[in-house]
Amino acid sequence: DQQVKQNSPSLSVQEGRISILNCDYTNSMFDYFLWYKKYPAEGPTFLISISSIKDKNEDGRFTVFLNKSAKHLSLHIVPSQPGDSAVYFCAASAYNAGNMLTFGGGTRLMVKP
Amino acid sequence: KAGVTQTPRYLIKTRGQQVTLSCSPISGHRSVSWYQQTPGQGLQFLFEYFSETQRNKGNFPGRFSGRQFSNSRSEMNVSTLELGDSALYLCASSPSGGHQETQYFGPGTRLLVL
Repeated sequence: DQQVKQNSPSLSVQEGRISILNCDYTNSMFDYFLWYKKYPAEGPTFLISISSIKDKNEDGRFTVFLNKSAKHLSLHIVPSQPGDSAVYFCAASAYNAGNMLTFGGGTRLMVKP
Repeated sequence: KAGVTQTPRYLIKTRGQQVTLSCSPISGHRSVSWYQQTPGQGLQFLFEYFSETQRNKGNFPGRFSGRQFSNSRSEMNVSTLELGDSALYLCASSPSGGHQETQYFGPGTRLLVL
């Protein structure tokens, strides 16, 4: 039973345009969400996070939106750059599970020059 | 600050053998978590250590174990290796392992079981 899902395995975007990566979850106990970026042969790199008490968090080109009623979050990257090409993972943490992260399957983003 | 380091980076073992992987957290971080990444199952939580105690455990068989030392460095051990244990093993650290605390990942150890 996948509690965190990223339904798009891949996404291709033109440089300078917006990239939108989506993530859905089913566990109502999740109250903290994170996005990580991963390059091949490297570990995941933390990008941005959001607590369930918020519906939006921004950090530079990255914005995460959380829709609790729909159990959906999205990561917006504006403007997209070729260096953003990587696999993006959505992760969630439940309030009763310490700092254990449950990950989605990842979305491969390709930003074309 | 130096990041999370993991050794070795690559490892080849045969079925039935055992393996030990090492993780050094970011200086000052006392919580270390381990994750397994495979093409079929994705990224899955193995266990978390804090102050030399296992505090949380994922759904993995007892062949997977770990420990943490007084300097917060951690090791994980897999005994009686199976082909399905071939994976990228990732270690992550955070200051205290508190809920809503960001975890920072190392580069991983890629294990191939033949």
